[in-house]
Amino acid sequence: QVQLVQSGAEVKKPGASVKVSCKASGYTFTNNDINWVRQATGQGLEWMGWMDPNSGNTNYAQKFQGRVTMTRDTSISTAYMELSSLRYEDTAVYHCASAIAGRLSSWGQGTLVTVSS
Amino acid sequence: DIVMTQSPDSLAVSLGERATINCKSSQSVLYTSNNKNYLAWYQQKPGQPPKLLIYWASTRESGVPDRFSGSGSGTDFILTISSLQAEDVAVYYCQQYYSTSRTFGQGTKVEIK
Repeated sequence: QVQLVQSGAEVKKPGASVKVSCKASGYTFTNNDINWVRQATGQGLEWMGWMDPNSGNTNYAQKFQGRVTMTRDTSISTAYMELSSLRYEDTAVYHCASAIAGRLSSWGQGTLVTVSS
Repeated sequence: DIVMTQSPDSLAVSLGERATINCKSSQSVLYTSNNKNYLAWYQQKPGQPPKLLIYWASTRESGVPDRFSGSGSGTDFILTISSLQAEDVAVYYCQQYYSTSRTFGQGTKVEIK
């Protein structure tokens, strides 16, 4: 079955960067786009962007343009999301999700990123 | 960006009764060349990632109980839970994937009355 396993929780200082990984199994990694969605505590879902693991092409939400970078290593079926210039308001759970024709069909367990001085 | 607006923000329904959630998009998410609405619904329970329930506005994901149904077209959509069960307590989100910049509704919290 499709499984997405994310890296563990992170604590970062304001201004630093964080890189979250998402390892896929149970399907051909390059067939499905990987999306990243974040959720602050008690808040709704916020879409950050997607990456085509086959080509490496990306599309980022305007809000995160210039601060987010999505990459992949196809040899180990792993996607990465790096967010730079962290602010307190970036504290959230970050999810990766595999998409089929745009719908987010499988989700990782989430990675808590805490921005704290 | 396409703005997705859900209503209500929360609702309380008695066990066995019907729950209805609305989702409105700021522009049509119907792709006329294939007559498909690029609209999905997700369920999120506390401490869990979201789960896909419905896609193409009305197609139930494999394994989703048939008490969940989706309807609507263009800009107005509805998620219906025909007979609310205790395990359906969750927050429900709509999402459009018509635009390359995907967007979610703000969520609707469903509780037991």
